[in-house]
This record gives sequence, C-alpha cells and structure tokens, in this order.
Amino acid sequence: QSVLTQPPSVSGAPGQRVTISCTGSSSNIGAGYDVHWYQQLPGTAPKLLIYGNSNRPSGVPDRFSGSKSGTSASLAITGLQAEDEADYYCQSYDSSLSGCYVFGTGTKVTVL
Amino acid sequence: QVQLVQSGAEVKKPGASVKVSCKASGYTFTGYYMHWVRQAPGQGLEWMGWINPNSGGTNYAQKFQGRVTMTRDTSISTAYMELSRLRSDDTAVYYCARARDVVVTASPIDYWGQGTLVTVSS
Repeated sequence: QSVLTQPPSVSGAPGQRVTISCTGSSSNIGAGYDVHWYQQLPGTAPKLLIYGNSNRPSGVPDRFSGSKSGTSASLAITGLQAEDEADYYCQSYDSSLSGCYVFGTGTKVTVL
Repeated sequence: QVQLVQSGAEVKKPGASVKVSCKASGYTFTGYYMHWVRQAPGQGLEWMGWINPNSGGTNYAQKFQGRVTMTRDTSISTAYMELSRLRSDDTAVYYCARARDVVVTASPIDYWGQGTLVTVSS
C-alpha cells in the first residue's frame, strides 16, 4: 500500500508542459527526506530521473525538473516529447514502521 | 560498468518458496545497499526490503516480515531474495536495485536488475 499519492494519469500535446504531484505526510516527505523520481518505459526496469528533490543524473535532459515543498513534491516535464510517454514514480523514505522506502502510486504520462 | 543480472523466470505453486538471485558486477559489491522491489502485472512499484551486503544486515517491509529472507554471498557478489508461502498475488516481476549512497535513508536507487518474473499458479 503506497503512502505517496500521485495522479493516475496526465497528458499533454508535444511541446507542452506537464506536472506530476507526489503527496506524502509528516513521516516521509514532510519529515525532510529526499524525494527521487523514476521513469519506467513499457517492459523495462525503472530509470532514475531526478534525485535529491531536484537534481538530474548525467544524461537526463534538462526538460525534466523536480521540486519539493512541505509534504509534497512535483516533477515537471517541459517541451513534452513522444519518448516521454511512460510511467513515473516518486520515492522517499518513511520513518514509521522501523523505516522503509516508499514509492508513489505512479502516473502514466500520455503524449497526445 | 555497473550491472545487476538476475536469475530467470520461475513458475511456482501456491505455498511454495522462490529464491531469486542478483549477480553484481562493475563495482564493489559490499559498498552499496541492495534493495528488492516488486511490480505486479499492471501495478506500481512495491519496496520489499534491503540488505547491507557488507554486514548482512537487513530491513524488510512490514508487509513481508516473516515471509521474506534476503541474503548475500560476497565471494560471488550475489544477492538473494527468498519469498516463502507464495500466493497468487505474489505473481510479479521482482527487481534487485542498488542504493547509490551510503546514507540509505536519503539514497536514490541508481541501478536496477532486468527483473525476474515469478508466476504463482496452481
């Protein structure tokens, strides 16, 4: 059972900007733990997209950006491209229940 | 380059156990925590736990306590995840995945195995 809530789907036309929210609580995002984002293309393993709330690993286009405030975080994709159509997951650490990693519920991005 | 290569697909009957292996290469195996994450068909990612390959220490998600065992063999840089008393809803792709940083509470996962499909069916 995910404790990080994301919208099931978002969509946009090529070139547009879309955002994905990730809502947590005082035991995870609100406690100051970092949020990371992963992109999962169909049939493949997830790939790290954003780490430490807003940092991009080498090779990730700067069209992808992340932010965090309070008990929530968000991922923005600007200049949406066809190859961005994928599932996106946020992830953080939760200090309840002896500590554990938690993933968001996942968001399907569709490029219209 | 870092690689995590997992064992092949498994088909198990309800009540049985499955053991998935994950062979690491391209880095110092004992220097990075290893997570196990699963994904049921058409569903999201679910964290199962981690193992510290250096000490063997583990931390399991509460949901899997008593059913999952994570171990490692440092001599062959391989991590294992065994899940017992399998049910049909354990049907999923199981991933091993490396934590990038030493401070595991803040660490992202930077490398993933290719996944192992475990099918539980009578």
